[in-house]
Amino acid sequence: GAVVSQHPSWVICKSGTSVKIECRSLDFQATTMFWYRQFPKQSLMLMATSNEGSKATYEQGVEKDKFLINHASLTLSTLTVTSAHPEDSSFYICSARGIAGGYEQFFGPGTRLTVL
Amino acid sequence: KQEVTQIPAALSVPEGENLVLNCSFTDSAIYNLQWFRQDPGKGLTSLLLIQSSQREQTSGRLNASLDKSSGRSTLYIAASQPGDSATYLCAVQQGGSEKLVFGKGMKLTVNP
Repeated sequence: GAVVSQHPSWVICKSGTSVKIECRSLDFQATTMFWYRQFPKQSLMLMATSNEGSKATYEQGVEKDKFLINHASLTLSTLTVTSAHPEDSSFYICSARGIAGGYEQFFGPGTRLTVL
Repeated sequence: KQEVTQIPAALSVPEGENLVLNCSFTDSAIYNLQWFRQDPGKGLTSLLLIQSSQREQTSGRLNASLDKSSGRSTLYIAASQPGDSATYLCAVQQGGSEKLVFGKGMKLTVNP
């Protein structure tokens, strides 16, 4: 149980385009989902926390107009990188916390974004 | 501001050795501490989660301990195998928050 998927697993796009990444909890309902970014040889940095049906809470220094997060259902959250630039190239990982309680987060497999 | 440190950044050992991976954190007001494994280009696999009230957790060849007052945790890997090669990440969850703060990880290579 507690499986989280991400789609796509990798994406290459041109500078200036927008990219949408999906995060799904497959076998549980997730009240809260988290989006992280990981640069090479760096740790995961939390970008934002999203609760189903409400606006996401962004970490300091993360542009909310650039990284659009939608958590429309208890099993799906999306991250849209708008007007992507090469410096947005990174590994994006989502995690989900279930309704059942407890604070454990279950992580997705990640999405590798390369902006040319 | 919570900071999580993992030293060394990389370790290479021969197969069969017993290993100790270290993690330290600056703010002892944590809710739990978690150890993860990350394979190259992949997501995170949770290995062990220790609640703040616990001293250790065990799973198979893995044992994690927590000393909250000194801000330290260790992950012990017994009889290491080449399949244990990966990056190991330590993360703490602050009390009263859902946020996880990660260390930079330690890249482990177990040579056959």
